[in-house]
Amino acid sequence: EADIYQTPRYLVIGTGKKITLECSQTMGHDKMYWYQQDPGMELHLIHYSYGVNSTEKGDLSSESTVSRIRTEHFPLTLESARPSHTSQYLCASRREFGNTIYFGEGSWLTVV
Amino acid sequence: AQSVSQHNHHVILSEAASLELGCNYSYGGTVNLFWYVQYPGQHLQLLLKYFSGDPLVKGIKGFEAEFIKSKFSFNLRKPSVQWSDTAEYFCAVVSGNTPLVFGKGTRLSVIA
Repeated sequence: EADIYQTPRYLVIGTGKKITLECSQTMGHDKMYWYQQDPGMELHLIHYSYGVNSTEKGDLSSESTVSRIRTEHFPLTLESARPSHTSQYLCASRREFGNTIYFGEGSWLTVV
Repeated sequence: AQSVSQHNHHVILSEAASLELGCNYSYGGTVNLFWYVQYPGQHLQLLLKYFSGDPLVKGIKGFEAEFIKSKFSFNLRKPSVQWSDTAEYFCAVVSGNTPLVFGKGTRLSVIA
């Protein structure tokens, strides 16, 4: 079983609120990723990190931001949530090329 | 940038029919290849993966995939599908330090 955790699993918040989605892994993986997926649709890479103090934007433009202060944590923040941010956010990690990529169970965000 | 193509958007099969889902990728270097499944309302699960060695890879639930380097393909197969195989299937590829790139997914509907 993968040791990668996402919290909260489900969240309903109002427009304009600030929200941080947490992602933690205990495997010591350097590389971590955030994907966004609408129900039944494709997964879009929105952020990734090669290690501490490294963050990169993904293929899909996102109003969210990320930080990587510690190897274990890769939180994603929305400063002012909007209904268009309603989606599932998936966190993933891996050690190196040639190693399995592990996914968290996802965070379902609904902005009303 | 590398890309992944899944040519079938929606496949409908009767129970016991054979399944083959196409996946092609664009990157010419060394790659790791994955198939993930997502059952309705659930999180991503790894079906199988290819890193190196035997190009015919066997995964869980009776699925297998064949890596054909000359065709840049990694098609997923199952000899006899069941109603419980109804799900969304995603092909994904990673090379070197790049993030995992997903195809758009293929929805499989198995009817009794």
